[in-house]
Amino acid sequence: EAEVAQSPRYKITEKSQAVAFWCDPISGHATLYWYRQILGQGPELLVQFQDESVVDDSQLPKDRFSAERLKGVDSTLKIQPAELGDSAMYLCASSPGTFTDTQYFGPGTRLTVL
Amino acid sequence: GQNIDQPTEMTATEGAIVQINCTYQTSGFNGLFWYQQHAGEAPTFLSYNVLDGLEEKGRFSSFLSRSKGYSYLLLKELQMKDSASYLCAVIGDAGNMLTFGGGTRLMVKP
Repeated sequence: EAEVAQSPRYKITEKSQAVAFWCDPISGHATLYWYRQILGQGPELLVQFQDESVVDDSQLPKDRFSAERLKGVDSTLKIQPAELGDSAMYLCASSPGTFTDTQYFGPGTRLTVL
Repeated sequence: GQNIDQPTEMTATEGAIVQINCTYQTSGFNGLFWYQQHAGEAPTFLSYNVLDGLEEKGRFSSFLSRSKGYSYLLLKELQMKDSASYLCAVIGDAGNMLTFGGGTRLMVKP
């Protein structure tokens, strides 16, 4: 069964450092999402791509976060500089096409900022 | 804005039935999802409702009333492995985003 791949699974960094997360969606899925999930809360959408284009990044803190999906396949989310409040699970999800399609989530990257 | 409410925690007994409620207030409505999330793992899809009524899938069923802004997830014949968080999520009209509730942590006891 096809799955969304993410790496690394865990990342520990010091504040003010740069971190990057990678996501490879299910093959053929046009839409890719990055979410942030703070412990005990539901996921919060950071950015949504349709192929290589950003559809929605209204919740992305653009002063420190950036995301790209250059060839419309895999994607990278970067934080620079990391802050203590960025400690969370970063989830990537993909769906075949339209926004009503089921989203399939990857295993996530657990970020701890010290 | 989007507002989705669900209870924070619930406890039930193995073999019993439990109903997890979700109420929502969104700008427009294009469907409601339920996801299951075990601790430290990614959410996995359980159900999708876009029309009023009950959708049954094995031990799990999901109900939707659009006029009341209300949904519930019904879990029958509870098993210990059902201990997890259950996330209600709605697609409104605001940029077609999927907005999640805070999740309901279900603990199944022997």
